[in-house]
Amino acid sequence: EDKVVQSPLSLVVHEGDTVTLNCSYEVTNFRSLLWYKQEKKAPTFLFMLTSSGIEKKSGRLSSILDKKELFSILNITATQTGDSAVYLCAVTVSGGSNYKLTFGKGTLLTVNP
Amino acid sequence: EPEVTQTPSHQVTQMGQEVILRCVPISNHLYFYWYRQILGQKVEFLVSFYNNEISEKSEIFDDQFSVERPDGSNFTLKIRSTKLEDSAMYFCASSTSTDTQYFGPGTRLTVL
Repeated sequence: EDKVVQSPLSLVVHEGDTVTLNCSYEVTNFRSLLWYKQEKKAPTFLFMLTSSGIEKKSGRLSSILDKKELFSILNITATQTGDSAVYLCAVTVSGGSNYKLTFGKGTLLTVNP
Repeated sequence: EPEVTQTPSHQVTQMGQEVILRCVPISNHLYFYWYRQILGQKVEFLVSFYNNEISEKSEIFDDQFSVERPDGSNFTLKIRSTKLEDSAMYFCASSTSTDTQYFGPGTRLTVL
């Protein structure tokens, strides 16, 4: 059974702090890893990673994948209160004609002013 | 920017009733999905749909569930006889041929 584990499950920081969120996975035929941000409702897409060692960056957020050690990290620098959300990690696997996402439980990030 | 839309945002129903949840995927997308999230739990895959047929379904997606793309724009999830444990947030998602799935805002289903 495909498995995605995120840590920590929750984290409280102050504005301006840097945070690192972790995601490890055990899946057969790994294809890609995705990060989503979930505020009140729908998960919104952040990054998709397929290649090991290549950092994806968007503003204060960045992410990198290690396919040898089967994990990814999501970094957020200079956190703001608007970064408060649940961050979800999900993986897809190769094979078939669909790309269902298998999600972790998420990390609840709270950024206090 | 195109987005996935879902209606209704909240549906309350009595146990045993049928419900239909509606989604309008992004117009040039080819792959469609339903996921659900029970309160406090992780997002779980229900079903994927491509080329007018189901391509994969999870164990959750039993005979009480069905999906349809009735008119080339809508994508619906029907639950024939709702149970208390069907109470959850239901998300529709769509994608092109790549992995990036875009999610709708969800329908909160409450079964009483």
